[in-house]
Parts: sequence; C-alpha cells; structure tokens
Amino acid sequence: DQQVKQNSPSLSVQEGRISILNCDYTNSMFDYFLWYKKYPAEGPTFLISISSIKDKNEDGRFTVFLNKSAKHLSLHIVPSQPGDSAVYFCAASGEYGNKLVFGAGTILRVKS
Amino acid sequence: SQTIHQWPATLVQPVGSPLSLECTVEGTSNPNLYWYRQAAGRGLQLLFYSVGIGQISSEVPQNLSASRPQDRQFILSSKKLLLSDSGFYLCAWTSGAYEQYFGPGTRLTVT
Repeated sequence: DQQVKQNSPSLSVQEGRISILNCDYTNSMFDYFLWYKKYPAEGPTFLISISSIKDKNEDGRFTVFLNKSAKHLSLHIVPSQPGDSAVYFCAASGEYGNKLVFGAGTILRVKS
Repeated sequence: SQTIHQWPATLVQPVGSPLSLECTVEGTSNPNLYWYRQAAGRGLQLLFYSVGIGQISSEVPQNLSASRPQDRQFILSSKKLLLSDSGFYLCAWTSGAYEQYFGPGTRLTVT
C-alpha cells in the first residue's frame, strides 16, 4: 500500500528552466510534507517542507505547493541548475516527531 | 551543531555472516532514531525506529534487528545475512520535529 507516490521515475530539464516534481498521497491524516534531495552514495538532505495549514512555502529557488483537496504536492525549482541533478524524495508525516513515509523518488537531470 | 555518523561506509559480507552497523549522533539529547534501507532503484524503507534507550519499534518483519544501548547510539544487526539484505542503509535522527536528518549511509553488498 503506497501511501506516498511519485509517479515520474525521472525528469530531464534544460538548465535555467523550471523543474516540477510531483507527489500524490492517499492518507488524509498526513499533515506535514517534506522534500529531500539525494546524491548517489550519500544520505538524503532535507530541502523544504510544508504544513497542511499552508498551500505554499518558498525557500530561494525552491517552492513547494500543496493541494489538500487533490492530495497532491509539487516542488518547483526555478531556475534549474546542473547541481540540482539528484534524486528527489517526497515524504509525509501524520505524527509529530515520528515516522515519515517516503515516495519512491524522482531522478532529476538538469542539462547544461 | 548536530552531527550524525555511520560506519562502516562500505561493507562486503558473505551470505550467512553476521552484521553490525553503527550510528551515533552528537550535539543533541534524547533524539528519535531511525534505520532505513534503500534497495537498488527503490525508495526509502523504514526498518526500525527508537524513541529512547532500549525502545525499538520494527516496521518490517525481516532478518534484521536493532538496538539502542545508549541515548545517541543506534545499532543495526543480523545473525545471518541473506542476499536480499544488500542495499544502502541509512540512519536518521530527529529532536521531535518533523524533519529527519540523515547520516552518510552504509553500502552493504552480500555475496
């Protein structure tokens, strides 16, 4: 039972353009959502998060949008840079300080 | 600042051999600790989590076990490794907030 789904295994974007990574969830009890970035052979790095009481959160080039009615969130990276090439994981939590449920990840390739 | 360590970085073990992976956190007290595994081409699977010394919750029945002998130490073990235990093992911590912070990982290859 995949509660968090990232349906695009990979995405290729030209440098300078926008990257949009998508994530869907099924559990209506989830109230906090996170994005992580992972390079090969390294641990994931926390990128940005959003609470269910908000619909948008920005941090520099990264913006996360949440559509609760659709149970959908997306990560926008503008402008995309070659160093953004990595695996991006979406994660969700319904309990403070407890478990995160991760999606399968999306491989982003930014071409220069 | 907080730091999380994992060792070893890489490990090659034969089938049937034991396993011990260690994770330690510095700069925080009473963290929640987590073990994840990332199989090749797959997402992150939560294996175990701990909210305190000696308190372990298992997420997936398997060939592995975890222990927390000290506040900031988390150990992943196996008595006999299987080929399917190969993967990238990650330790993570949180102080109670939603964000979890990951260690550098251990690449385990069972041959």
